[in-house]
Amino acid sequence: GEQVEQLPSILRVQEGSSASINCTYENSASNYFPWYKQEPGENPKLIIDIRSNMERKQTQGLIVLLDKKAKRFSLHITDTQPGDSAMYFCAASATGGYKVVFGSGTRLLVSP
Amino acid sequence: NSKVIQTPRYLVKGQGQKAKMRCIPEKGHPVVFWYQQNKNNEFKFLINFQNQEVLQQIDMTEKRFSAECPSNSPCSLEIQSSEAGDSALYLCASSLSWTYEQYFGPGTRLTVL
Repeated sequence: GEQVEQLPSILRVQEGSSASINCTYENSASNYFPWYKQEPGENPKLIIDIRSNMERKQTQGLIVLLDKKAKRFSLHITDTQPGDSAMYFCAASATGGYKVVFGSGTRLLVSP
Repeated sequence: NSKVIQTPRYLVKGQGQKAKMRCIPEKGHPVVFWYQQNKNNEFKFLINFQNQEVLQQIDMTEKRFSAECPSNSPCSLEIQSSEAGDSALYLCASSLSWTYEQYFGPGTRLTVL
């Protein structure tokens, strides 16, 4: 199995609160987990990634956690702003796997 | 900022017509991906290349799509006989490898009437 399940599909939060998106993967050989943000009419852009030799990574208000045992990784956006409103996609890939599998996406809506 | 170039940005075809789109990957990136993004924003992997060689593709791509990535020329994706269900945003992405960041182009939005 190579599916990546991403939840929730829609997430509504108030400005200033945190938002969490969860992904689970099937391929135990997966070792690279990027997160992409896609704003309306734009192409997806990498915002943060984590490799399997780490359990946590943090940058500019974003935290990624990886639980290899549970095959689960998550994105946490702290202190959300209206500009964080966008589609977010998780993905997983394995060295030599020749494929990058994307989750189905989460629409984050941050209201003022 | 991504330097992946995709042309055309918009493409309108009738059912049964050929639809061809092109992609120039970022310089130095040997891996190229094509995705179809539907109106629900879901990514569907179509095909990928490494140094001009097809490494993986889905059944649909094998049967109705043709794609190539010749050296020193743009990569291309062509639908031999367009169907209404092919209407979508086609995204090209390039990368150093499968376990590195993908840089996406702006996409070609195909409408099949």
